[in-house]
Amino acid sequence: DGGITQSPKYLFRKEGQNVTLSCEQNLNHDAMYWYRQDPGQGLRLIYYSQIVNDFQKGDIAEGYSVSREKKESFPLTVTSAQKNPTAFYLCASSIGDYTGELFFGEGSRLTVL
Amino acid sequence: GQNIDQPTEMTATEGAIVQINCTYQTSGFNGLFWYQQHAGEAPTFLSYNVLDGLEEKGRFSSFLSRSKGYSYLLLKELQMKDSASYLCAVRDPTDKLIFGTGTRLQVFP
Repeated sequence: DGGITQSPKYLFRKEGQNVTLSCEQNLNHDAMYWYRQDPGQGLRLIYYSQIVNDFQKGDIAEGYSVSREKKESFPLTVTSAQKNPTAFYLCASSIGDYTGELFFGEGSRLTVL
Repeated sequence: GQNIDQPTEMTATEGAIVQINCTYQTSGFNGLFWYQQHAGEAPTFLSYNVLDGLEEKGRFSSFLSRSKGYSYLLLKELQMKDSASYLCAVRDPTDKLIFGTGTRLQVFP
């Protein structure tokens, strides 16, 4: 079955540690996205990539980094520079055409202790 | 600037009809989307409007008025499983989706 797989689903980390969230898709989609979701706030765009080996900052990129070496994969690293990293992280992909329908992964919940 | 407003919470009764409104003020517009998100799960696509008017999909319909910067999602014959958050999102000229804060709908028996 085609879809988007995020891992891990739950992650705990100590302050000062970097952590990488995995996102893999087998939908053959060109575009991939990382969003952050906090209680009472809408989804906020961290980074997005419309093609392999290229990505752009979203609205809240500070303290995060990404790579897009393969079409299927778009990992997100939450660095120690991110001041408030505890959140629900959602990866999504789309065909990249004008309809813009996003297909989301199940999410990764990161808690900083 | 970008601003998308939705009510924070709504309640309704099983079998009833509910309308969730969304108003937007964005620097450009390339379409409006509605997503459903159950607690702790990923959002799933419900509807897409780019032209004015009503789009119907079974029990769900979505309406758009571009001149008023306004959309609504209409849910008919409510079921308990419709209890979820409903997210309104506008596609901007750079093809990014800008999301509202979401409306949490609770359906009671």
